[in-house]
Amino acid sequence: EIVLTQSPDFQSVSPKEKVTITCRASQNIGSTLHWYQQKPDQSPKLLIKYASHSISGVPSRFSGSGSGTDFTLTINGLEAEDAATYYCHQSSSSPSDTFGGGTKVEI
Amino acid sequence: QLVETGGGLMQPGGSLRLSCGSSGFAVSNAYMVWVRQAPGKGLELVSVIFSGGGTDYAESVRGRFTISRDNSKNILYLQMSSLSAEDTAVYYCARRLSGVFDLWGQGTLVTVSS
Repeated sequence: EIVLTQSPDFQSVSPKEKVTITCRASQNIGSTLHWYQQKPDQSPKLLIKYASHSISGVPSRFSGSGSGTDFTLTINGLEAEDAATYYCHQSSSSPSDTFGGGTKVEI
Repeated sequence: QLVETGGGLMQPGGSLRLSCGSSGFAVSNAYMVWVRQAPGKGLELVSVIFSGGGTDYAESVRGRFTISRDNSKNILYLQMSSLSAEDTAVYYCARRLSGVFDLWGQGTLVTVSS
């Protein structure tokens, strides 16, 4: 099983600050790494696909980078509505996809 | 849009069937999944059904859960049996498209407790 390790587990930040969340895979997964945002009592929402590809309708302050085993989600200019838990997901080992443990961002 | 129903409070050892109704696309043509989230925990892929009908399961539920679909009703199911407290979670159905889960339901809570 491919294990995804996210860091940090929790981050408290102020509005307009930059947030960086990392996701490390236990083996090389190329660019098959995706990011989701989950707000309290809501289902996850796709933010970034294939490491760095933007999703229509997602604000441009969200961006992703990385390949192989190390990936990063960056939020440039945090807004209050970005308070959520963020998860990475790998589809390299389909159908045995796995998720990271999540990073909770508090404003 | 995806809408899950069927969650509730169950006794250990019991069985339950979850449903996921789809509007806007045919589940028969899609790679569909069930993902669960235990209270305060992360996401776990539980089961998948490919567009061709093949299925797969997480080791934690294999032999106890069965994923299926009714193409005529456009509904995805998850039949769960031999439930234990470890199965307590919100269960989401989702569509997998080009490698990502692009559409999710709102989730249905399954609580297993005596």
